[in-house]
Amino acid sequence: QKEVEQNSGPLSVPEGAIASLNCTYSDRGSQSFFWYRQYSGKSPELIMSIYSNGDKEDGRFTAQLNKASQYVSLLIRDSQPSDSATYLCAVNADPIYNQGGKLIFGQGTELSVKP
Amino acid sequence: EAQVTQNPRYLITVTGKKLTVTCSQNMNHEYMSWYRQDPGLGLRQIYYSMNVEVTDKGDVPEGYKVSRKEKRNFPLILESPSPNQTSLYFCASSPTRVAYEQYFGPGTRLTVT
Repeated sequence: QKEVEQNSGPLSVPEGAIASLNCTYSDRGSQSFFWYRQYSGKSPELIMSIYSNGDKEDGRFTAQLNKASQYVSLLIRDSQPSDSATYLCAVNADPIYNQGGKLIFGQGTELSVKP
Repeated sequence: EAQVTQNPRYLITVTGKKLTVTCSQNMNHEYMSWYRQDPGLGLRQIYYSMNVEVTDKGDVPEGYKVSRKEKRNFPLILESPSPNQTSLYFCASSPTRVAYEQYFGPGTRLTVT
């Protein structure tokens, strides 16, 4: 059973701090990794995708991928109260067998940014 | 407006009464998928479709059926709902043929008594 693990939190950070969200995955063949944000009572929305080792930056968000360690993280710089949400890590499962159709989500990390 | 729509948004039903949750997207997306979300378990994929007439199982397909007869629609069918199918259901679509960068619908909250 392919797994994606996240700390459930809640993770609490003060406004303006860096929030660090972590995710590990079990399928060494996974090639595509995503971070979704879900506000309470809303549907998930994609905020970052990363496909190769290293860092990818988009505004205040940085995704980091280390395939050797099977680890992907999301950093949020200058955290704002509006960043308070649950962050879901998603990994494509068995990309060769499933041809990219199958996606496994972690259970999500709840982030709370305090003013 | 580009969107994924689901109907109904809320549904309370009884055990064994067949139901269908519709999903439609107006973005001409190739890929569509259904998920259920339960507290502590996160999002789990039920079925997905990479093209018209092509569907495949996700992690939790038992008790569900899908069909993809046309590109824009991907209904989820529960032939004989049971209380353990009480959940929040999301439909999603992607412009590629694979599960990348998905756009989610607003969700359908289903309660089976």
